[in-house]
Amino acid sequence: GIQVEQSPPDLILQEGANSTLRCNFSDSVNNLQWFHQNPWGQLINLFYIPSGTKQNGRLSATTVATERYSLLYISSSQTTDSGVYFCADNFYGGATNKLIFGTGTLLAVQP
Amino acid sequence: EPEVTQTPSHQVTQMGQEVILRCVPISNHLYFYWYRQILGQKVEFLVSFYNNEISEKSEIFDDQFSVERPDGSNFTLKIRSTKLEDSAMYFCATTTGMNQPQHFGDGTRLSIL
Repeated sequence: GIQVEQSPPDLILQEGANSTLRCNFSDSVNNLQWFHQNPWGQLINLFYIPSGTKQNGRLSATTVATERYSLLYISSSQTTDSGVYFCADNFYGGATNKLIFGTGTLLAVQP
Repeated sequence: EPEVTQTPSHQVTQMGQEVILRCVPISNHLYFYWYRQILGQKVEFLVSFYNNEISEKSEIFDDQFSVERPDGSNFTLKIRSTKLEDSAMYFCATTTGMNQPQHFGDGTRLSIL
């Protein structure tokens, strides 16, 4: 089946540091989304980024569809950035556009 | 910004009981999904629903599960006879089309005792 690998699996940062999270896909990227799951379990939609680069405040994301990967950049991290970051895509050829999620990156930002 | 609304936020149920989880999709969305996340694991697809019928379901979605849109607004997931392993966070997601982003509700945390 289609594989979605995320790295690193865990990350500890000091407040103010920058970080890059990576998502690799075993198949062509179609409708990639990045999510932040906060400590209350809510999935917050960060980016819809099938290709190219987008920025939203301290966060930005880049998807290189031809090379089957996406990167999420967090700059000047804050304690509220803590949580799990998931990437997901629905890939071509499925019966519906069900999302297949990666295993996530657990981020802890320390004050 | 319109939101997907899920109720209840937390449900505690005895094993063997039926549960119904509810979702109100964003009004112009046509495709509806249920996903499940067991504690500490990734989010997994359960079922997709379009034009009042199931489009696709996963291996997890066995005969104990059903979905319907009874009144044209709510989208429900029913588990007929709950098991301990059904304990998880259940997310509803909706979208306007096959190549559009999916919008997720805040989830229902289901605890089976």
